[in-house]
Amino acid sequence: GENVEQHPSTLSVQEGDSAVIKCTYSDSASNYFPWYKQELGKGPQLIIDIRSNVGEKKDQRIAVTLNKTAKHFSLHITETQPEDSAVYFCAASKGSNYQLIWGAGTKLIIKP
Amino acid sequence: DSGVTQTPKHLITATGQRVTLRCSPRSGDLSVYWYQQSLDQGLQFLIQYYNGEERAKGNILERFSAQQFPDLHSELNLSSLELGDSALYFCASSPSGADEKLFFGSGTQLSVL
Repeated sequence: GENVEQHPSTLSVQEGDSAVIKCTYSDSASNYFPWYKQELGKGPQLIIDIRSNVGEKKDQRIAVTLNKTAKHFSLHITETQPEDSAVYFCAASKGSNYQLIWGAGTKLIIKP
Repeated sequence: DSGVTQTPKHLITATGQRVTLRCSPRSGDLSVYWYQQSLDQGLQFLIQYYNGEERAKGNILERFSAQQFPDLHSELNLSSLELGDSALYFCASSPSGADEKLFFGSGTQLSVL
């Protein structure tokens, strides 16, 4: 079945620097790729998503890129701020009749 | 605030007991999902309901069951509880049956002693 691998498991960056989290999926039929942010004590929150007909999507300081050939997608956060500290989850889905398959999560630490 | 309400926020119980977790989805959302998150673990999908019907099943134990009521709220029942069932249980909702744009509640922290 579909598998999503997420790396790294922990990422520590200096405030103001960029952070990149990468996910690899196994099923080439996957066509929907969301990213969720989970702050301490809260439920995950969708921050950005991309479909397979698009290679890149941006929303202010965050962006997601998709490489269908290599079957990987990445979350890019620029000019990191303390409030970016959280656990980030990627996921992949083949469509409306299929479940989301989740990555294991990345703990992002922003150092002041 | 996601608009998804979960109660209770915390639950402490003993092994062998049975508990019920409750979820009210966002207004208008037809799908409810249940997830389990153990300490420092990822999100484990348990079950999904869409407009009152079971739509998808994940790694849900036989000791666990769920249902979605006509008013669309959902309950997750956990029975014969074991120490390993201690976890954070999240409910999420979405407007459609597709696993897209999920809105998560704040979770119920279950501690089995």
